[in-house]
Amino acid sequence: QKEVEQDPGPLSVPEGAIVSLNCTYSNSAFQYFMWYRQYSRKGPELLMYTYSSGNKEDGRFTAQVDKSSKYISLFIRDSQPSDSATYLCAMSESNFGNEKLTFGTGTRLTIIP
Amino acid sequence: DAGVTQSPTHLIKTRGQQVTLRCSPISGHKSVSWYQQVLGQGPQFIFQYYEKEERGRGNFPDRFSARQFPNYSSELNVNALLLGDSALYLCASNNRAGANVLTFGAGSRLTVL
Repeated sequence: QKEVEQDPGPLSVPEGAIVSLNCTYSNSAFQYFMWYRQYSRKGPELLMYTYSSGNKEDGRFTAQVDKSSKYISLFIRDSQPSDSATYLCAMSESNFGNEKLTFGTGTRLTIIP
Repeated sequence: DAGVTQSPTHLIKTRGQQVTLRCSPISGHKSVSWYQQVLGQGPQFIFQYYEKEERGRGNFPDRFSARQFPNYSSELNVNALLLGDSALYLCASNNRAGANVLTFGAGSRLTVL
């Protein structure tokens, strides 16, 4: 069993829709949770960073972490064609010392104009 | 400011050969990490270096090695290449503030024939 599970999709939604992306994990030592966006032929770009449980909002993006259920989500409101990319969840146990990130497989998202 | 730069961007090797990939971190960043991303998968942690010392190593065979130079740039070496080493190799850097907040380069795409 992988430490981090993520539905690979692909996921296609019409422009303006609300998108929900999710990951589950098995390692209870994870404390830091991130969402990266990766465009084709590019490196991952950090979108959201959350410590422990709770919600965080940044513009059209909202990240939620539920450590009791080992479940994290990313919501995208008013989705735009430019949001079409692969979304990767990532997690780490520490932010000091070995800051190894464990990634999900990524969900490929297409926003249809 | 220049981001994380990696070279070469693409390369093709044959089985059994050796490859060296290079990475220059963001100016002022002293930590460099390497990740392997196989097509359709999330990045997997290979190494982390900080101040020229290895701080973490992922579950990769000894054919993989790396080093960090006094100017904080880094090289990843892979010996005795296998077909399964074909992947996008990502370098990421960070400073000590929020040390698990990584900025990735665009990667070096390695094809092993």
